[in-house]
Formats: sequence, structure tokens, C-alpha cells
Amino acid sequence: QLVESGGGLVRPGGSLRLSCAASGFTFSDYYMTWFRQAPGKGLEWISYISSTGATKYYADSVKGRFTISRDNAKNSLYLQMDSLRAEDTAFYYCARDQGYYSDSSGPFDYWGQGILVTVSS
Amino acid sequence: DIQMTQSPSSLSASVGDRVTITCRASQTISNSLNWYQQKPGKAPKLLIYAASSLQSGVPSRFSGSGSGTDFTLTISSLQPEDFATYYCQQSYSLLVTFGGGTKVEIK
Repeated sequence: QLVESGGGLVRPGGSLRLSCAASGFTFSDYYMTWFRQAPGKGLEWISYISSTGATKYYADSVKGRFTISRDNAKNSLYLQMDSLRAEDTAFYYCARDQGYYSDSSGPFDYWGQGILVTVSS
Repeated sequence: DIQMTQSPSSLSASVGDRVTITCRASQTISNSLNWYQQKPGKAPKLLIYAASSLQSGVPSRFSGSGSGTDFTLTISSLQPEDFATYYCQQSYSLLVTFGGGTKVEIK
């Protein structure tokens, strides 16, 4: 199970930290990913972190503003979001990478319920 | 980035109908293609991975096919619980991308 928390309303330029608590599997064995979905829109991959946390990737739309991290001792994934913009308004999902593709990412077999981040003045 | 194009963007169908959704990649992606189902207010659910492998627990009326650039998701006999939006997603690149979605509505 994956449960996100930390969402809410924030002003443009502000910061927010999302958390994703994992249970029911060995969290430290899996790569993890954050996605987002603007209301009524499609899915967008935004960041990925390896099982140890040593490797991280970001979409161009969030690079330099968002930071992904994890604490395997706490079975938790995080997304620090800084310099937030109106276009960052979306539901944010954490997801587990099943690890089927050895040279790539995905598929994503478990997802959190999603948490809404609204950036507005 | 690899662009994924789904068609149609929406369709109307009846219970019991056979439904086919297509997904085209902007470059060859071998069989690195996954399909998800999303219902309103819910997270996506993995249906098919590696183009044609059925995820555990997913009903056998769902099937996938294709390789290279062209892929298909088929629902052999549409059930009431299948009305949802379906997304394809490529795993050929680390920077994964999704199709725009196909909304399956009740006729």
C-alpha cells in the first residue's frame, strides 16, 4: 500500500513537501516514481529514484525546482517542491516500479491514492 | 522524448461489445509498452505490461498486442466495470511518457 500526504494550497513561489508511506512490501528493493495529473488531464511522469537513492531523474518541467528523496529505514518516499507555479496544480501520485524492464523504468504496479496540490494566490 | 498517440480519444460502447484502442509511438519501442485503466477519482491500475503480458489479477477479457510502434488494447466483452479511461505508457526510455488517454463511455 502507498499513502501520500502533505498536499494542499500554496501560493505561487511557495514550497511543499509530499510524503509517500509504503507498506506491505520491501520498500528498499524497489525503484519509486512520482507522477502528476492536472484536473481533467493526462498523466505526467515527473521524477524517479533508484532503490538506494543514488540515482534520480527529473522531467524538464520540474528540474531544478523539485527534489525526490527516500528514507528506506522509514519506508518513505518524498518530493520536495520549491518555486511552485500555477501549472504545478495537480493530483500527485507515488508509484512502485515493478522493475520488469532492466534498462528502463516501469511498469508501475502499485499507486497511491493521489494527493491534490493547488498553487494559487 | 518519445511521443505516444492514442486513438480514439473517446468511444461509446455497450456492455458485451468488443473494444479496441490503439497506441502509436513516435519511434520504435520494441515491446516496451504498458496499459493502465483509470476510473474517476482513482489512481491508474496496471492492466498489461510488455505489450501483451496480463498483470496478475486482471481479467482475461483484457489483452494487448503489437511491437515496434503500433500497439493495441482489446477488451473482448465490455463489462459495466470497464467504463473508464485507458492510457498507454512507454517504458523504452527512462523518461517514460503516456498517451493522451481513451475514455470508454456507455452507449
